[in-house]
Amino acid sequence: GNSVTQMEGPVTLSEEAFLTINCTYTATGYPSLFWYVQYPGEGLQLLLKATKADDKGSNKGFEATYRKETTSFHLEKGSVQVSDSAVYFCALISGGYNKLIFGAGTRLAVHP
Amino acid sequence: DAGVIQSPRHEVTEMGQEVTLRCKPISGHNSLFWYRQTMMRGLELLIYFNNNVPIDDSGMPEDRFSAKMPNASFSTLKIQPSEPRDSAVYFCASSVDREGYEKLFFGSGTQLSVL
Repeated sequence: GNSVTQMEGPVTLSEEAFLTINCTYTATGYPSLFWYVQYPGEGLQLLLKATKADDKGSNKGFEATYRKETTSFHLEKGSVQVSDSAVYFCALISGGYNKLIFGAGTRLAVHP
Repeated sequence: DAGVIQSPRHEVTEMGQEVTLRCKPISGHNSLFWYRQTMMRGLELLIYFNNNVPIDDSGMPEDRFSAKMPNASFSTLKIQPSEPRDSAVYFCASSVDREGYEKLFFGSGTQLSVL
């Protein structure tokens, strides 16, 4: 079946460091891929998406490229801020009705 | 728009009691999802509805769990009887179902603790 695998956290970085959170997927066909972010005490919200191979999604300095050959969608940011501290979820859409399958989530902690 | 509204925000109950979680989706959204989040299992899809009809409830863990959507503006997730292993954060999310992807809007969740 369809699934998403993320690197385990927590990821702890200093402010202005480079961030990579790995995500790989297993799916039939060519799913759309997403990153959602969950700030403390809140629900998830969409960060970025890519709907076909080689697409790059970007938002708030974050970006991820849909790599069909490696079935990956790694999240990157060149310079993280304390306010980026959150849990990041990689996801794919599976079937109709916008049904999302999420990875386990990766907690990011950024220190001043 | 007020967003997806969930209640209660926190629920503490004793094992064996009935628990009802409530969700009001965003007006005009016709898809509704219930997710459960735990440290051990991450974010699991329990059930989802389209136009008030349950489409897939294969994620519901067992018969103690049930969900209803009597109309387009309200859904409930009920656990009867509750058990300590049901302790988790339960999220409701809604979206518009039309061609192409429409993002999910999540509520703030209900933190359930079963003692």
